[in-house]
Amino acid sequence: QSVLTQPPSASGTPGQRVTISCSGSSSNIGSNTVNWYQQLPGTAPKLLIYSNNQRPSGVPDRFSGSKSGTSASLAISGLQSEDEADYYCAAWDDSLAWVFGGGTKLTVL
Amino acid sequence: QLQLQESGPGLVKPSETLSLTCTVSGGSISSSSYYWGWIRQPPGKGLEWIGSIYYSGSTYYNPSLKSRVTISVDTSKNQFSLKLSSVTAADTAVYYCARHAVVINAFDYWGQGTLVTVSS
Repeated sequence: QSVLTQPPSASGTPGQRVTISCSGSSSNIGSNTVNWYQQLPGTAPKLLIYSNNQRPSGVPDRFSGSKSGTSASLAISGLQSEDEADYYCAAWDDSLAWVFGGGTKLTVL
Repeated sequence: QLQLQESGPGLVKPSETLSLTCTVSGGSISSSSYYWGWIRQPPGKGLEWIGSIYYSGSTYYNPSLKSRVTISVDTSKNQFSLKLSSVTAADTAVYYCARHAVVINAFDYWGQGTLVTVSS
């Protein structure tokens, strides 16, 4: 049981916009920033979004993040086949631990 | 380009100690801007943070694993290591080492991961 809650799956067709939610509590998302990671099949996670809505160099602007209260969202616009991956949210918890969501498997139909 | 590489036994017997090392290349582990962490992923499951260390040796661990975890750093070799004691089948996972950049408060570089299986 993960501390942060994500839907197990999401899907969309090429060109569509999809969103993935991440729900936490006052001790993690409510008081700290949220990061998102993309894990392509068989590879290590890659930082996609940090500090709620910032993209590292090289990440397309099709990816965007937002946070409100104790929830956060990742949006992917102009969906492409190469976006098919697992997506994880993460945040620091005031219990002194990094916590992750259970992951959302994105399927491009 | 920064690279992290995990190494260690791929098979550990139950009740024994899992030991892994992460070698950092293309950058110094002694930089004040980073922590260095271990994260694991059981087969088909999500990510779990194990713990992190600063180059000075300061550590912080996941409370759920704290009693079994030791993370150490060897700045002369540009390496940091993980020891997890009293392992069971539930510790079977891909273990990743990663860099935590303080300024962005995120794990920004990851190793490729190494699968450790706990089995007799």
